Amino acid sequence: SQELEQSPQSLIVQEGKNLTINCTSSKTLYGLYWYKQKYGEGLIFLMMLQKGGEEKSHEKITAKLDEKKQQSSLHITASQPSHAGIYLCGADARPDNYGQNFVFGPGTRLSVLP
Amino acid sequence: DVKVTQSSRYLVKRTGEKVFLECVQDMDHENMFWYRQDPGLGLRLIYFSYDVKMKEKGDIPEGYSVSREKKERFSLILESASTNQTSMYLCASSLGRTQYFGPGTRLTVT
Repeated sequence: SQELEQSPQSLIVQEGKNLTINCTSSKTLYGLYWYKQKYGEGLIFLMMLQKGGEEKSHEKITAKLDEKKQQSSLHITASQPSHAGIYLCGADARPDNYGQNFVFGPGTRLSVLP
Repeated sequence: DVKVTQSSRYLVKRTGEKVFLECVQDMDHENMFWYRQDPGLGLRLIYFSYDVKMKEKGDIPEGYSVSREKKERFSLILESASTNQTSMYLCASSLGRTQYFGPGTRLTVT
């Protein structure tokens, strides 16, 4: 079965610093999704990447997909305390399904110190 | 904006009780999902539904059942709650492949 690994497991940065979170898949990616979860709450959809080399940005968060490496990175520029939370990557394990084969990474816990 | 709501944010139930967790989405999505999230185990799919009255088991359906009588509502039922069902329960809906999540229900079974 497909597995997603994330690194680092946790991250503490000073406000204003840049940071990168990585997500690596053990198998072919059919769409890579990034979510953010505030402690004890639901997941907030950030962005979806489908094609190799694709890059998307939302405010100060940029995600890239390297299809050959089966890897995605999430980069936050000039981090703020509002960026704190758990970042999870998710992926479709198969190209044609209702989403029942969706898998999630274990998450990266980000703390931003003011 | 997509909105997925869950009936309770926090719930405390006793062992053996029947528990209903409700999820409602307002975007006319075809697919709905129930997950549980536990430390060290991540998110695991319990059940999903791809249409009204249609349901399929996910990875960990034991001890749970679901009901989807209307498109917008997907209910998770714990027939006889047990302490090992203490967890964070997350509902999601999707039209394509992007899943949108509700705020979660933290269930404690004592």
